[in-house]
Amino acid sequence: NAGVIQTPRHKVTGKGQEATLWCEPISGHSAVFWYRQTIVQGLEFLTYFRNQAPIDDSGMPKERFSAQMPNQSHSTLKIQSTQPQDSAVYLCASSLEGLGGATGQLYFGEGSKLTVL
Amino acid sequence: GDSVIQMQGQVTLSENDFLFINCTYSTTGYPTLFWYVQYSGEGPQLLLQVTTANNKGSSRGFEATYDKGTTSFHLQKTSVQEIDSAVYYCAMRNNYAQGLTFGLGTRVSVFP
Repeated sequence: NAGVIQTPRHKVTGKGQEATLWCEPISGHSAVFWYRQTIVQGLEFLTYFRNQAPIDDSGMPKERFSAQMPNQSHSTLKIQSTQPQDSAVYLCASSLEGLGGATGQLYFGEGSKLTVL
Repeated sequence: GDSVIQMQGQVTLSENDFLFINCTYSTTGYPTLFWYVQYSGEGPQLLLQVTTANNKGSSRGFEATYDKGTTSFHLQKTSVQEIDSAVYYCAMRNNYAQGLTFGLGTRVSVFP
């Protein structure tokens, strides 16, 4: 049973370029999350989809960041005009939906390490 | 809003030492509390989940205790091994929320 798959594992961009990160959740999982991981801030919640619909994007920077889930088998996180402070590991996680809509255990991918020069 | 405070940034131990990591939380809801572990080059994975206050959870020799009175929960292991070297995150899910709020993580280094 494959886990959460994230591509690319490493991406280097120049300042001002666009970066798109992909996530394939575990088959059958209805909830998909994106987190950003840095040494200083730890694991920061970015956004969450349930059954492909955006539910909570309260952690997303209002400018330059966007996330989509066009089908149940993949989600993308796009960062426009990347800046050095966007350098981080971006983690995708998926989960089964529990009773009352509460999510169960999160299964994380290995992450995409973004470096903005 | 919800918050999780994990004070210890780094812990260095020798094999067979006792490990103790503490977290405190703040929420207006009824939280479920978790410990996740992240090995080098991997994503975090669930280590323990504790749903009921004053209950304990255990897995792989680790034990977690949730104290509702002090709004704290801690992770301990009696005798750590080198393979336990990793970053340990405490996390909380409010029953009204959908995602997890994580602490900053504790890097545990165990030397033979």
